[in-house]
Order: sequence, then structure tokens, then C-alpha cells
Amino acid sequence: EAQVTQNPRYLITVTGKKLTVTCSQNMNHEYMSWYRQDPGLGLRQIYYSMNVEVTDKGDVPEGYKVSRKEKRNFPLILESPSPNQTSLYFCASSSSRASGNTIYFGEGSWLTVV
Amino acid sequence: AQSVTQLGSHVSVSEGALVLLRCNYSSSVPPYLFWYVQYPNQGLQLLLKYTSAATLVKGINGFEAEFKKSETSFHLTKPSAHMSDAAEYFCAVSTQGGSEKLVFGKGTKLTVNP
Repeated sequence: EAQVTQNPRYLITVTGKKLTVTCSQNMNHEYMSWYRQDPGLGLRQIYYSMNVEVTDKGDVPEGYKVSRKEKRNFPLILESPSPNQTSLYFCASSSSRASGNTIYFGEGSWLTVV
Repeated sequence: AQSVTQLGSHVSVSEGALVLLRCNYSSSVPPYLFWYVQYPNQGLQLLLKYTSAATLVKGINGFEAEFKKSETSFHLTKPSAHMSDAAEYFCAVSTQGGSEKLVFGKGTKLTVNP
């Protein structure tokens, strides 16, 4: 079954304590992205990756880091989380083989920074 | 740059009534357009997508959307609302020729009244 898996699904952390949200896909997709969802703002892209070792900033990259060492994994790193990073985070993946391809989303990770 | 405007952050209909959720887009190139649904406390599920084939697109759960280039619109409709349709709906446009990024509207929360 095609899947994008995120962990953890729910996390409460404290300001400044580094955390990593993992993302893994089993579809051999080239493209992977991270989005955050905030009430009244929809989803906004944080970072994306077009392939292994190729990453670039999205619309709201401040305070986040990513890496793409393996094709299937695309972790999101918050080096020093702050309360304004409290949000619902989605990982996504898609194939580069055709335009307009479906983008698959993970189930989301609820992050609260206190 | 692409953008999406969803008219109405909240829409309320009676069970059995027509559902109409409005989406207008801005794109300098032929767009690829998507509707996603998010049920409470769940991830995103693709309802339907337009990729330059037929302008009337049928999706899951009885939803459909019509691409109207002259109006730059991609409104989502369903002839008869069910209680189970209550959710938040997001319209999105993909970037030029690619599938690596979606630009989302801010979402429309649909309430279905008995």
C-alpha cells in the first residue's frame, strides 16, 4: 500500500529543545515536501526536495532544517523550537515522471511548543 | 506566481441540499488544480484533480468540479449533501509543469445540518 508515514503524530515539547519529525515514503518518489497548516492560513510549504541531497526552501522555511540522505526519508528538524512553530505538519511526496501527478500526504503531526 | 482564493471560510448547508464551494486561481501558465478534503483530526485526502483533460472532473464521494478558464475558477459541487461530507475542503494549484509543490487556498469548512 502506498504510504507516507510521519512520526511522531502528536508531540508537546518545550521552547528550545531540538526535535525531529520523521517522514518516510514507500513509493520511490523523487519529490518530498513539508507543509505546515495553521487555522485560516491553509497549508504552506516549508521545504522541499527534488531528490537525494537536493533540497530548497519553500514559503516559510525560517526555523526549520531538512535533509535528504536517502530517497525514502525526509526528516524535518526544529533546532530550537518556539511557540510560533506550534502547528499541524504534513509530509508529502510525489513522482517527477509526469506533470500534475498526485501528491500524497502523510497523516500529519500535531506539534505543540510551550 | 500561482495563488488560490477560496470564497467563504465557512459554508453551511442542509442535508440533501446542493454543495457549492468556490475556488478561483491565478496562474501565469496552464494550471493543474486539485481539491483535497480533511475530515476532523485526519490528514488530507484527494477528492479530484484537473490536469488539462476534460474540464468537468468527477471525484470521489459524488463530488465534481468544473474548470472554467475564462472565469479562472474551479468550483466544487455535490448535488446532495450528506452528514458525512462535513469537513474542511482545500483547493490547490500546482506549480508550473511540476508536481513538487501545491499552493493551497485557506480552506472552507463545510457544515451539514440535519
